[in-house]
Amino acid sequence: DTAVSQTPKYLVTQMGNDKSIKCEQNLGHDTMYWYKQDSKKFLKIMFSYNNKELIINETVPNRFSPKSPDKAHLNLHINSLELGDSAVYFCASSRQGEETQYFGPGTRLLVL
Amino acid sequence: QKEVEQDPGPLSVPEGAIVSLNCTYSNSAFQYFMWYRQYSRKGPELLMYTYSSGNKEDGRFTAQVDKSSKYISLFIRDSQPSDSATYLCAMTLGYGNNRLAFGKGNQVVVIP
Repeated sequence: DTAVSQTPKYLVTQMGNDKSIKCEQNLGHDTMYWYKQDSKKFLKIMFSYNNKELIINETVPNRFSPKSPDKAHLNLHINSLELGDSAVYFCASSRQGEETQYFGPGTRLLVL
Repeated sequence: QKEVEQDPGPLSVPEGAIVSLNCTYSNSAFQYFMWYRQYSRKGPELLMYTYSSGNKEDGRFTAQVDKSSKYISLFIRDSQPSDSATYLCAMTLGYGNNRLAFGKGNQVVVIP
């Protein structure tokens, strides 16, 4: 009965590769987010979707492309991976009109 | 100046002590304030949520917001080893703007 789930949990890959991370929430929320947490534990928002529509797009390289096939899923595709992309990526969700966000367990990405 | 400032610590306290954490922020338009707890290798989990200025208590946890000083605090009474985690403050404008601005997190270690 996991509320927000992400796959994979760990991802080790070479520079230049393309990879995807998937997120699913079963909370019935309308809004989903992607955050990046760097090695210093700083969490920064990347994207937000509300009912499959992109509503927040922070200054993120266009190698990162989110896709929301339905309001329960938000995937993140990363092209041409770079060393600096190594981080933990968290998916989160919230109910429309509410400020509290619920986070997934994270995907630990290591680019070699 | 960063949007949200939080002294990363770490903070070590003996079991039973009071833990005091705080954040300052620069954007006076923030209305909603949260504290998240993040255990090692886990996603952040919502601990406390307050709107505007005031205090909120939940068991051993008290959250305080002073909007005039742009300062928020979290107090943990009778701290337990299970409270050992990183505590992140977060805040948002609300009113449909769900972009959460996070502090860097404060690592707390409660020593038995």
